[in-house]
Amino acid sequence: AQKVTQAQTEISVVEKEDVTLDCVYETRDTTYYLFWYKQPPSGELVFLIRRNSFDEQNEISGRYSWNFQKSTSSFNFTITASQVVDSAVYFCALGPNQAGTALIFGKGTTLSVSS
Amino acid sequence: GAVVSQHPSRVICKSGTSVKIECRSLDFQATTMFWYRQFPKQSLMLMATSNEGSKATYEQGVEKDKFLINHASLTLSTLTVTSAHPEDSSFYICSARAPGLAGGSYTGELFFGEGSRLTVL
Repeated sequence: AQKVTQAQTEISVVEKEDVTLDCVYETRDTTYYLFWYKQPPSGELVFLIRRNSFDEQNEISGRYSWNFQKSTSSFNFTITASQVVDSAVYFCALGPNQAGTALIFGKGTTLSVSS
Repeated sequence: GAVVSQHPSRVICKSGTSVKIECRSLDFQATTMFWYRQFPKQSLMLMATSNEGSKATYEQGVEKDKFLINHASLTLSTLTVTSAHPEDSSFYICSARAPGLAGGSYTGELFFGEGSRLTVL
């Protein structure tokens, strides 16, 4: 079965704190894709990152960083020095390696950053 | 990059009426599109997979006669909520898969529309 678990339902931090959003996935595929999306109150999904299962290198993009560990089936997302504008719902998703297959989303983590 | 556009972004309708939501791929041809539904404070749940020129594949529990999907061209899929009721009020999001790299290898790239918020009174 394919599954994405985001155990943290809600996280509240104060501006400038670092915060890590956890994502654990399950799949039997050897090739797959992992994604993170941000959903602000407006509703549209903002693409943050896509990671191929063969690429375990961690990635940093500005204040964002991602830690992909196949050994623990985790793809965690860290925001450094959080800002109020980071407040949103963040979804982790699993993309099977089949062209006609949709993404499987976790339940999302609501991040609230206060000033 | 590839763009997927949804219309309308918001719609309010009376109970019993039908509402059509359009999903267009603006700069690529999409043989497959996906329709998701998101209730408040919940995740995106796949409703159906829309394939150009053939019938949509619905997920378990989704009424195909209530949620009509038509994928008549490579750039347009429509979702019609028939005889809408207040419990159908939700955020509907479509997505489309862009073509793979030259040679047909699958990249996994998936683009989402802006979403359509349906409110049924």
